[in-house]
Amino acid sequence: DTEVTQTPKHLVMGMTNKKSLKCEQHMGHRAMYWYKQKAKKPPELMFVYSYEKLSINESVPSRFSPECPNSSLLNLHLHALQPEDSALYLCASSTREGDYGYTFGSGTRLTVV
Amino acid sequence: EDQVTQSPEALRLQEGESSSLNCSYTVSGLRGLFWYRQDPGKGPEFLFTLYSAGEEKEKERLKATLTKKESFLHITAPKPEDSATYLCAVAVTGGFKTIFGAGTRLFVKA
Repeated sequence: DTEVTQTPKHLVMGMTNKKSLKCEQHMGHRAMYWYKQKAKKPPELMFVYSYEKLSINESVPSRFSPECPNSSLLNLHLHALQPEDSALYLCASSTREGDYGYTFGSGTRLTVV
Repeated sequence: EDQVTQSPEALRLQEGESSSLNCSYTVSGLRGLFWYRQDPGKGPEFLFTLYSAGEEKEKERLKATLTKKESFLHITAPKPEDSATYLCAVAVTGGFKTIFGAGTRLFVKA
């Protein structure tokens, strides 16, 4: 299995809703990442988990809350989002933190209304 | 400040018309340089990793090269299916961040 699977593919949520994005990989990678990508812009790093521990938090607002329950799973909990948070949310993994090319998932297209 | 700059922003080619995309970088220390291909609404797809100046990697119609200041992605005889955004990313030393360039949008017309 050489894939990173993200669910759901699309999500529409209101500003008062609570939702979660899920990411799963079974390649034995020990680093996992959340990126946010706006249209025609490069991916922006949000969080890095290394060996299931939060390694980097790029000053992301607290309405985004990451969780890494085990080495294969990465969640992003969303609460009280703003319309400007609408974007493609990408999960990626790599063998080790910062090394080698990342394997990206197809992303979750989030729309906040 | 670590920086990655890609040029051109967009490139329109006829099928079979070879060209190159540029990625220039200014970083404190290079751990690796990566090329990705991204189709609209999809996650980036890993293409190549380059680690040291002089290194080259090839895959089908694509060839990536690296110098001390920049990398080139050469596309030989492109086909319409090569149309995509090509992203360059640099992993820097002294931390675990990977910095992405803004990308080059490639359009290949039949």
